[in-house]
Amino acid sequence: AQSVTQLDSQVPVFEEAPVELRCNYSSSVSVYLFWYVQYPNQGLQLLLKYLSGSTLVKGINGFEAEFNKSQTSFHLRKPSVHISDTAEYFCAVTLNTGGFKTIFGAGTRLFVKA
Amino acid sequence: NAGVTQTPKFQVLKTGQSMTLQCAQDMNHEYMSWYRQDPGMGLRLIHYSVGAGITDQGEVPNGYNVSRSTTEDFPLRLLSAAPSQTSVYFCASSLSGWVNEQYFGPGTRLTVT
Repeated sequence: AQSVTQLDSQVPVFEEAPVELRCNYSSSVSVYLFWYVQYPNQGLQLLLKYLSGSTLVKGINGFEAEFNKSQTSFHLRKPSVHISDTAEYFCAVTLNTGGFKTIFGAGTRLFVKA
Repeated sequence: NAGVTQTPKFQVLKTGQSMTLQCAQDMNHEYMSWYRQDPGMGLRLIHYSVGAGITDQGEVPNGYNVSRSTTEDFPLRLLSAAPSQTSVYFCASSLSGWVNEQYFGPGTRLTVT
């Protein structure tokens, strides 16, 4: 069965420090990978996505993620976080079965402290 | 463009009541979906549609109905509300199925007492 695991439910970090939010997935078919961000009381918005090509993808707000096929991971990184990055981050996997099925991870709450 | 809009923003129901959550998009997207968000569980797909007149079940469809009579609208009906349906509901749309990003509405917070 397909699944998405976000390894940390909460990540506290000081402002200007680097951060990595971890995501692993399990799938028997090829996948497309996404990171979404949810600010308080809002819907989700796309940070970045991997469809094919270079395994390092860059997104909005200085975030980037690296697809590692052998480790089935898609970790999200930012070299220097800001207070405004405080939000919940969701890793999502869309399965390449010809149908429409996206599986979301449980989310990681990033809390940036001054 | 307004994007994806949802109404109402908040709703309180009594057990057994029915209601419809409204969702509309003005981006001419073919794919629309409904998710529920519960603490520690991420988003789970309830129902989705790949075009007007076509709907299918997601991961947690029981207790919910959908229809898609137009490209723009995708209402979610709760047939007989139960406390287990207390959740935040998000509607999303995308240009096509699985390679395009999904655009999310602001959500509806539903409480069933």
